Amino acid sequence: EVQLVQSGAEVKKPGESLKISCKGSGYSFTSYWIGWVRQMPGKGLEWMGIIYPGDSDTRYSPSFQGQVTISADKSISTAYLQWSSLKASDTAMYYCAREIAAAAPFDYWGQGTLVTVSS
Amino acid sequence: EIVLTQSPGTLSLSPGERATLSCRASQSVSSSYLAWYQQKPGQAPRLLIYGASSRATGIPDRFSGSGSGTDFTLTISRLEPEDFAVYYCQQYGSSPPDTFGQGTKLEIK
Repeated sequence: EVQLVQSGAEVKKPGESLKISCKGSGYSFTSYWIGWVRQMPGKGLEWMGIIYPGDSDTRYSPSFQGQVTISADKSISTAYLQWSSLKASDTAMYYCAREIAAAAPFDYWGQGTLVTVSS
Repeated sequence: EIVLTQSPGTLSLSPGERATLSCRASQSVSSSYLAWYQQKPGQAPRLLIYGASSRATGIPDRFSGSGSGTDFTLTISRLEPEDFAVYYCQQYGSSPPDTFGQGTKLEIK
């Protein structure tokens, strides 16, 4: 059974750093792209970027380039999304999701990680 | 970047009725790389349709997708109580970023 299991909810202060994770199981982790999607409170879905764990090829939306870093550790089948300095506007639910190719839909999704940034 | 505009913003219908949701792209979507997702409160999105008209695994046949170029439609032939949710379209062409529409909320009338 394909599963993407994300790390738990986080509460952080502005300026702090954060790294959240997404662990894949039930499939060949290095053969699929993993993407990250933001959903701000009460809002729609925003595509942030994707990574191919097989060779760490990474692509970002211009809206998120330089704001976050996407990485992966294929040895433990885990992808990451990290911030070096959080802002209150980073408060959102973050989903990871799997796609078979860079031009493909997301067929499996993680359960989401809620990030709250507040002073 | 391709902008997707969904309409209507909210659709109020009763169980058993037919739902028609629209997704219009600011430029042609290559190879009909258009997907539809369903999201219920507190849940992650679920893939319904890909390639504009192919149903994902396990999706009931009351869901169908159509369209090409810049105009796409998701049709739910007879609404079941569990179909009331928010629906998003997504284009996933060859160049990032992929983009999502703003969503259509399908609510019970």
